[in-house]
Amino acid sequence: GENVEQHPSTLSVQEGDSAVIKCTYSDSASNYFPWYKQELGKRPQLIIDIRSNVGEKKDQRIAVTLNKTAKHFSLHITETQPEDSAVYFCAPQTGGYQKVTFGTGTKLQVIP
Amino acid sequence: DVKVTQSSRYLVKRTGEKVFLECVQDMDHENMFWYRQDPGLGLRLIYFSYDVKMKEKGDIPEGYSVSREKKERFSLILESASTNQTSMYLCASSFPEQAQYFGPGTRLLVL
Repeated sequence: GENVEQHPSTLSVQEGDSAVIKCTYSDSASNYFPWYKQELGKRPQLIIDIRSNVGEKKDQRIAVTLNKTAKHFSLHITETQPEDSAVYFCAPQTGGYQKVTFGTGTKLQVIP
Repeated sequence: DVKVTQSSRYLVKRTGEKVFLECVQDMDHENMFWYRQDPGLGLRLIYFSYDVKMKEKGDIPEGYSVSREKKERFSLILESASTNQTSMYLCASSFPEQAQYFGPGTRLLVL
């Protein structure tokens, strides 16, 4: 099955700084790359995703970059705010009918 | 707006009891998933289904079974609950190769 690793496992940044979380996967056939955010006590929710034919995607302060050759994709958050504090998960997918493996999560703390 | 609901938010059961957790989605999604979430271990896939009456094992299926008799409903069954099954259980649904939508979760305590 797919091996998925996320780094770092915890990340503390000052408000206004940038944060980068990296997700490494093993299946070269993976073609869909989402990032989920889970706030304390809430369910995970999609914040941004990218497909294998695109190298980068931005949505206001968040962006995702994909390096298919190296088999990793990264979440970038600029101008961090306290409400960005949460656990972030990557979950690369291969096809539409295969199991999905989530990364173990990155706990981001934004210090006001 | 996608809605995924789970039958209970909190559940307390005794060791050896049979436990049913139910998940319902209203978006006609083909795929449905059951995860358990434990501190430091992220989301681990128990079972998933990509069609009615179809089921596939995830990474930790031991001690669990599932049922999908209707497209919108996916049930997780603990045949004989044990204390190591105390956890948060999350259901999710999606179209193939698209984002998953999660339910609110069921926190299960097995005594």
